[in-house]
Amino acid sequence: GQQVMQIPQYQHVQEGEDFTTYCNSSTTLSNIQWYKQRPGGHPVFLIQLVKSGEVKKQKRLTFQFGEAKKNSSLHITATQTTDVGTYFCAGYSSASKIIFGSGTRLSIRP
Amino acid sequence: DAGVIQSPRHEVTEMGQEVTLRCKPISGHDYLFWYRQTMMRGLELLIYFNNNVPIDDSGMPEDRFSAKMPNASFSTLKIQPSEPRDSAVYFCASSLRRNSYNEQFFGPGTRLTVL
Repeated sequence: GQQVMQIPQYQHVQEGEDFTTYCNSSTTLSNIQWYKQRPGGHPVFLIQLVKSGEVKKQKRLTFQFGEAKKNSSLHITATQTTDVGTYFCAGYSSASKIIFGSGTRLSIRP
Repeated sequence: DAGVIQSPRHEVTEMGQEVTLRCKPISGHDYLFWYRQTMMRGLELLIYFNNNVPIDDSGMPEDRFSAKMPNASFSTLKIQPSEPRDSAVYFCASSLRRNSYNEQFFGPGTRLTVL
């Protein structure tokens, strides 16, 4: 069945360092979404990517969707303590399937 | 709008008991999702509805789980009988599909503990 793999599982960085998480799908996706979940909270929508090769930016966050629409990445430049949390990708297939990646937990040393 | 509302926020029950989780989606949203989150399995989609009709229930773990959406403003997830391995945080989310855009809004979750 369809799978969405997300790596790394954990990332511990010094404040100010960059951070990247990657999602890879076993099948072509129609679109992909990214969510952030703070400790003890609920997932909050960040962005949706639809087009092949799409790149979107939100301040220090850069999101990419691969040319084959099977992979995606989230890059945070110069992390801040407010970036702490778990980042999830959610892949949508043409068969109305939605699969969340396992998440990458980001922790930051001040 | 108050956002997605879930009740109860916490539920502690004993093995074998019936558990009912409730969700009120954001008014006007046409999709409703139920998720389960555990440390071991992460965030799992259990079932989702479109206009009150179940679209994909392949994530429902077994027959002990059932979900209903009798109207556009209410959904329930029922576990009968409950087991300790059902302990998790259960999230409900809703969305409004506009063309290909369908941001999901999550509720605060129900933390279920089955003893």
